[in-house]
Amino acid sequence: DVKVTQSSRYLVKRTGEKVFLECVQDMDHENMFWYRQDPGLGLRLIYFSYDVKMKEKGDIPEGYSVSREKKERFSLILESASTNQTSMYLCASSPWTSGGYEQYFGPGTRLTVT
Amino acid sequence: QKEVEQDPGPLSVPEGAIVSLNCTYSNSAFQYFMWYRQYSRKGPELLMYTYSSGNKEDGRFTAQVDKSSKYISLFIRDSQPSDSATYLCAGDSGAGSYQLTFGKGTKLSVIP
Repeated sequence: DVKVTQSSRYLVKRTGEKVFLECVQDMDHENMFWYRQDPGLGLRLIYFSYDVKMKEKGDIPEGYSVSREKKERFSLILESASTNQTSMYLCASSPWTSGGYEQYFGPGTRLTVT
Repeated sequence: QKEVEQDPGPLSVPEGAIVSLNCTYSNSAFQYFMWYRQYSRKGPELLMYTYSSGNKEDGRFTAQVDKSSKYISLFIRDSQPSDSATYLCAGDSGAGSYQLTFGKGTKLSVIP
């Protein structure tokens, strides 16, 4: 079974803090993704990576950055957290053979910024 | 542009009913179509994916795609309370796009 793990299930941070969300997958997948999920807005892609040290912007990259130093690990960074970044953050991975359509998700991190 | 549309529900059915969940899409480039199931406070779980038009069956679940009408369906036979979740459909052009387009999900409750 594909396993995608995320460093925290729940996180509370203050406005202006730098926040790191970590994601690790154990299936040797080339592609990794970060989404946020909000009621009424659905899943929105923040960034994705198709290889180590490679990254591409998704639909809503503003206020976020990412890092992929190792194949199995993809980090999302909120440089200066704001209240409008309160959300559920979901990491996913997919094998190179599928491009992006066969994505496997982690359990999510519910981030609250106060 | 709303590329994948889904009725948000909620949809309530009695246990044992046949459930039909539907999506429409507008992007003609979509070649792959996915259904995800998401339990409350969990990440989405890939149920099945299909390529192009046609049917795909996996146990009690059948996915159906009609590209001519841009319509995606998921049928659940003999529905169980454990099927209570939000179901998300998604489309992908498959051309190395890496970006799925998700519907906003339909919340299903199966009542014992």
